[in-house]
Amino acid sequence: EAGVAQSPRYKIIEKRQSVAFWCNPISGHATLYWYQQILGQGPKLLIQFQNNGVVDDSQLPKDRFSAERLKGVDSTLKIQPAKLEDSAVYLCASSSPVTGALHSGNTIYFGEGSWLTVV
Amino acid sequence: QKEVEQDPGPLSVPEGAIVSLNCTYSNSAFQYFMWYRQYSRKGPELLMYTYSSGNKEDGRFTAQVDKSSKYISLFIRDSQPSDSATYLCATSNFGNEKLTFGTGTRLTIIP
Repeated sequence: EAGVAQSPRYKIIEKRQSVAFWCNPISGHATLYWYQQILGQGPKLLIQFQNNGVVDDSQLPKDRFSAERLKGVDSTLKIQPAKLEDSAVYLCASSSPVTGALHSGNTIYFGEGSWLTVV
Repeated sequence: QKEVEQDPGPLSVPEGAIVSLNCTYSNSAFQYFMWYRQYSRKGPELLMYTYSSGNKEDGRFTAQVDKSSKYISLFIRDSQPSDSATYLCATSNFGNEKLTFGTGTRLTIIP
């Protein structure tokens, strides 16, 4: 079974520039997450989609970050304009159709991440 | 105060030793407790999860949750060099919803 695919793996941009990250979840997974992991910290949830609807975006800095999930499959996370403090790994994750109670059938699978450096 | 506190380490132990990794949390509403393993430049992968208090064992790994003291532990027996990674504890109110992660403990098993 193919895992969560993310691209690009690495990106270096100057502050105030824009960047976009792409994610393709595991086939059949209705729930998609974007997490931000700053070096030395644990991942922090930015946004959660259920199919193509937003479930939780309470921690997404909406003045500069945006995300969409077209047709309930692939997703794109955009940052515009980037700040130095946005340097982090952006992890996409997905889980099986039914969210909620945790069991072996609906654990979250993470991609390898997109590493962003803002200079 | 962070909702989940975890000693960042680093922690180095000899091969075969028992490893103890710990987290504390502050939100009594947390019901689900997870341990993720993250290898360098990879995404986290779920190791174990528990619901409410109690112990859970899976091979060389044992997870413990004490809700009365808000304390989460992961024990690794007969540690192997392949166990070298960063271990992240995570909690949630409900299943996969809005996980709150600790900072992670970087573990190195010395052959």
